Amino acid sequence: DARVTQTPRHKVTEMGQEVTMRCQPILGHNTVFWYRQTMMQGLELLAYFRNRAPLDDSGMPKDRFSAEMPDATLATLKIQPSEPRDSAVYFCASGLVRAGYTFGSGTRLTVV
Amino acid sequence: ILNVEQSPQSLHVQEGDSTNFTCSFPSSNFYALHWYRWETAKSPEALFVMTLNGDEKKKGRISATLNTKEGYSYLYIKGSQPEDSATYLCASNVDSNYQLIWGAGTKLIIKP
Repeated sequence: DARVTQTPRHKVTEMGQEVTMRCQPILGHNTVFWYRQTMMQGLELLAYFRNRAPLDDSGMPKDRFSAEMPDATLATLKIQPSEPRDSAVYFCASGLVRAGYTFGSGTRLTVV
Repeated sequence: ILNVEQSPQSLHVQEGDSTNFTCSFPSSNFYALHWYRWETAKSPEALFVMTLNGDEKKKGRISATLNTKEGYSYLYIKGSQPEDSATYLCASNVDSNYQLIWGAGTKLIIKP
Protein backbone atom coordinates (compact mmCIF):
# COMPACT_ATOMS: atom_id res chain seq x y z
CA ASP A 1 0.00 0.00 0.00
CA ALA A 2 1.18 3.51 -0.78
CA ARG A 3 2.02 5.52 2.30
CA VAL A 4 3.06 8.95 3.46
CA THR A 5 6.60 8.85 4.84
CA GLN A 6 7.64 11.20 7.61
CA THR A 7 11.17 11.63 8.93
CA PRO A 8 12.45 11.59 11.55
CA ARG A 9 10.06 9.50 13.64
CA HIS A 10 11.47 10.96 16.84
CA LYS A 11 13.51 14.06 17.50
CA VAL A 12 14.93 15.36 20.75
CA THR A 13 16.56 18.74 20.56
CA GLU A 14 17.64 21.56 22.79
CA MET A 15 15.74 24.81 23.02
CA GLY A 16 16.92 27.28 20.42
CA GLN A 17 17.98 24.69 17.88
CA GLU A 18 16.55 24.44 14.39
CA VAL A 19 14.31 21.48 13.66
CA THR A 20 13.35 20.27 10.19
CA MET A 21 10.66 17.66 9.66
CA ARG A 22 10.19 16.05 6.27
CA CYS A 23 7.26 14.45 4.53
CA GLN A 24 7.12 12.44 1.32
CA PRO A 25 3.54 12.54 0.04
CA ILE A 26 2.01 9.70 -1.91
CA LEU A 27 2.78 10.01 -5.62
CA GLY A 28 -0.10 11.68 -7.43
CA HIS A 29 -1.57 13.38 -4.37
CA ASN A 30 -1.96 17.10 -4.96
CA THR A 31 -2.91 18.18 -1.42
CA VAL A 32 -0.61 18.16 1.61
CA PHE A 33 -1.40 19.13 5.19
CA TRP A 34 0.79 19.63 8.23
CA TYR A 35 -0.95 19.11 11.57
CA ARG A 36 0.13 19.20 15.17
CA GLN A 37 -1.52 16.99 17.76
CA THR A 38 -2.63 19.26 20.57
CA MET A 39 -2.74 18.62 24.30
CA MET A 40 -6.48 18.29 23.96
CA GLN A 41 -5.68 15.48 21.52
CA GLY A 42 -7.11 17.28 18.52
CA LEU A 43 -5.53 18.18 15.19
CA GLU A 44 -4.24 21.73 14.83
CA LEU A 45 -3.71 22.77 11.21
CA LEU A 46 -0.33 24.35 10.58
CA ALA A 47 -0.10 24.47 6.78
CA TYR A 48 -2.00 23.35 3.71
CA PHE A 49 -0.68 23.02 0.16
CA ARG A 50 -2.40 22.27 -3.12
CA ASN A 51 -0.26 21.57 -6.17
CA ARG A 52 2.69 22.74 -4.04
CA ALA A 53 1.18 26.20 -3.53
CA PRO A 54 0.49 27.24 0.07
CA LEU A 55 -3.23 27.85 0.60
CA ASP A 56 -3.44 28.31 4.32
CA ASP A 57 -0.76 28.73 6.94
CA SER A 58 -2.76 30.95 9.26
CA GLY A 59 -2.46 28.43 12.09
CA MET A 60 1.30 28.49 12.05
CA PRO A 61 3.36 30.80 14.29
CA LYS A 62 5.10 32.74 11.53
CA ASP A 63 7.93 34.05 13.65
CA ARG A 64 9.44 30.60 14.10
CA PHE A 65 7.67 28.14 11.81
CA SER A 66 7.93 27.78 8.05
CA ALA A 67 6.53 25.23 5.63
CA GLU A 68 7.57 24.59 2.05
CA MET A 69 7.14 22.15 -0.80
CA PRO A 70 10.32 22.42 -2.86
CA ASP A 71 8.99 19.72 -5.17
CA ALA A 72 6.06 17.33 -5.43
CA THR A 73 7.88 14.60 -3.52
CA LEU A 74 8.88 16.62 -0.48
CA ALA A 75 7.18 18.84 2.07
CA THR A 76 9.14 20.36 4.94
CA LEU A 77 8.19 21.96 8.23
CA LYS A 78 10.91 23.95 9.95
CA ILE A 79 11.01 25.42 13.43
CA GLN A 80 13.71 27.98 14.19
CA PRO A 81 14.35 28.55 17.03
CA SER A 82 12.57 25.67 18.76
CA GLU A 83 10.97 26.10 22.18
CA PRO A 84 9.79 23.56 24.78
CA ARG A 85 6.16 24.41 23.98
CA ASP A 86 6.71 23.09 20.46
CA SER A 87 6.98 19.56 21.87
CA ALA A 88 4.22 17.56 20.19
CA VAL A 89 3.52 15.01 17.50
CA TYR A 90 3.53 16.54 14.01
CA PHE A 91 1.58 14.80 11.28
CA CYS A 92 1.74 15.17 7.53
CA ALA A 93 -1.19 14.02 5.39
CA SER A 94 -1.58 13.88 1.64
CA GLY A 95 -4.49 13.15 -0.63
CA LEU A 96 -7.04 14.21 -3.18
CA VAL A 97 -10.11 16.17 -2.08
CA ARG A 98 -12.82 13.66 -2.81
CA ALA A 99 -10.66 10.57 -2.44
CA GLY A 100 -9.57 11.09 1.14
CA TYR A 101 -6.30 11.75 2.88
CA THR A 102 -3.57 9.47 4.19
CA PHE A 103 -1.62 10.38 7.29
CA GLY A 104 2.02 9.70 7.92
CA SER A 105 3.17 8.05 11.14
CA GLY A 106 4.11 11.40 12.63
CA THR A 107 7.24 12.98 14.06
CA ARG A 108 7.39 13.10 17.83
CA LEU A 109 9.32 16.23 18.75
CA THR A 110 10.71 16.87 22.21
CA VAL A 111 12.38 20.20 22.90
CA VAL A 112 14.29 20.30 26.18
CA ILE B 1 -18.14 30.53 11.11
CA LEU B 2 -17.76 27.02 9.75
CA ASN B 3 -17.97 24.35 12.43
CA VAL B 4 -18.03 20.60 12.37
CA GLU B 5 -19.51 19.18 15.53
CA GLN B 6 -19.51 15.65 16.81
CA SER B 7 -21.61 14.05 19.49
CA PRO B 8 -21.30 12.57 21.94
CA GLN B 9 -17.83 13.63 23.06
CA SER B 10 -17.25 10.19 24.56
CA LEU B 11 -19.09 6.93 24.71
CA HIS B 12 -18.75 3.76 26.78
CA VAL B 13 -20.25 0.69 25.13
CA GLN B 14 -20.43 -2.90 26.27
CA GLU B 15 -18.64 -5.40 24.07
CA GLY B 16 -21.09 -6.91 21.61
CA ASP B 17 -23.47 -3.95 21.64
CA SER B 18 -24.00 -1.77 18.60
CA THR B 19 -23.55 1.97 18.72
CA ASN B 20 -23.68 5.10 16.61
CA PHE B 21 -22.59 8.71 16.76
CA THR B 22 -23.14 11.91 14.85
CA CYS B 23 -21.21 14.44 12.83
CA SER B 24 -22.87 17.77 11.94
CA PHE B 25 -21.35 19.98 9.27
CA PRO B 26 -22.22 23.09 7.22
CA SER B 27 -24.60 22.03 4.47
CA SER B 28 -23.69 24.94 2.19
CA ASN B 29 -20.62 24.66 -0.05
CA PHE B 30 -20.38 20.98 0.76
CA TYR B 31 -17.80 18.94 -1.14
CA ALA B 32 -17.01 15.84 0.90
CA LEU B 33 -17.32 14.33 4.37
CA HIS B 34 -14.51 12.21 5.80
CA TRP B 35 -14.52 9.74 8.70
CA TYR B 36 -11.30 8.72 10.43
CA ARG B 37 -10.42 6.30 13.18
CA TRP B 38 -7.61 7.42 15.52
CA GLU B 39 -6.12 5.00 17.99
CA THR B 40 -3.93 6.20 20.82
CA ALA B 41 -0.25 6.60 19.84
CA LYS B 42 -1.04 6.03 16.17
CA SER B 43 -1.96 8.25 13.23
CA PRO B 44 -5.52 8.81 11.99
CA GLU B 45 -6.72 6.11 9.61
CA ALA B 46 -9.22 6.91 6.86
CA LEU B 47 -12.50 5.02 7.07
CA PHE B 48 -14.80 6.66 4.53
CA VAL B 49 -15.07 9.58 2.13
CA MET B 50 -18.64 10.46 1.27
CA THR B 51 -19.78 12.96 -1.32
CA LEU B 52 -23.36 12.21 -2.38
CA ASN B 53 -26.52 12.93 -0.43
CA GLY B 54 -28.04 9.66 0.76
CA ASP B 55 -24.75 7.84 0.37
CA GLU B 56 -24.13 4.86 2.60
CA LYS B 57 -20.75 3.17 2.96
CA LYS B 58 -19.73 0.03 4.78
CA LYS B 59 -16.46 -1.48 5.90
CA GLY B 60 -16.86 -4.68 7.88
CA ARG B 61 -18.92 -3.88 10.98
CA ILE B 62 -18.66 -0.13 10.46
CA SER B 63 -21.00 1.84 8.23
CA ALA B 64 -21.82 5.49 7.64
CA THR B 65 -24.65 7.50 6.15
CA LEU B 66 -24.71 11.02 4.75
CA ASN B 67 -27.39 13.72 4.58
CA THR B 68 -25.96 16.76 2.83
CA LYS B 69 -29.23 18.71 2.78
CA GLU B 70 -29.49 18.83 6.56
CA GLY B 71 -25.76 18.56 7.20
CA TYR B 72 -25.21 15.39 9.19
CA SER B 73 -23.59 12.00 8.97
CA TYR B 74 -23.96 8.98 11.23
CA LEU B 75 -21.31 6.37 11.94
CA TYR B 76 -22.56 2.96 13.06
CA ILE B 77 -20.59 0.14 14.65
CA LYS B 78 -22.31 -3.21 14.84
CA GLY B 79 -21.32 -5.70 17.55
CA SER B 80 -18.58 -3.57 19.15
CA GLN B 81 -15.26 -5.24 19.86
CA PRO B 82 -12.41 -4.06 22.14
CA GLU B 83 -10.32 -3.20 19.07
CA ASP B 84 -12.96 -0.64 18.08
CA SER B 85 -11.86 1.53 21.01
CA ALA B 86 -10.52 4.73 19.43
CA THR B 87 -11.43 8.32 18.72
CA TYR B 88 -13.59 8.70 15.63
CA LEU B 89 -13.11 11.96 13.78
CA CYS B 90 -15.13 13.47 11.00
CA ALA B 91 -14.04 16.30 8.72
CA SER B 92 -15.76 18.25 5.99
CA ASN B 93 -14.28 19.90 2.90
CA VAL B 94 -15.72 23.38 2.60
CA ASP B 95 -15.23 26.36 0.28
CA SER B 96 -13.51 26.51 -3.06
CA ASN B 97 -10.14 25.81 -1.48
CA TYR B 98 -11.51 22.52 -0.12
CA GLN B 99 -10.33 23.51 3.33
CA LEU B 100 -10.78 20.59 5.71
CA ILE B 101 -12.65 21.41 8.91
CA TRP B 102 -12.37 18.81 11.67
CA GLY B 103 -14.74 17.84 14.42
CA ALA B 104 -13.38 17.31 17.93
CA GLY B 105 -14.05 13.59 17.76
CA THR B 106 -16.05 10.97 19.62
CA LYS B 107 -13.96 8.86 21.97
CA LEU B 108 -15.31 5.32 22.00
CA ILE B 109 -14.42 2.93 24.81
CA ILE B 110 -15.53 -0.67 24.56
CA LYS B 111 -15.96 -2.41 27.90
CA PRO B 112 -15.24 -6.16 27.90
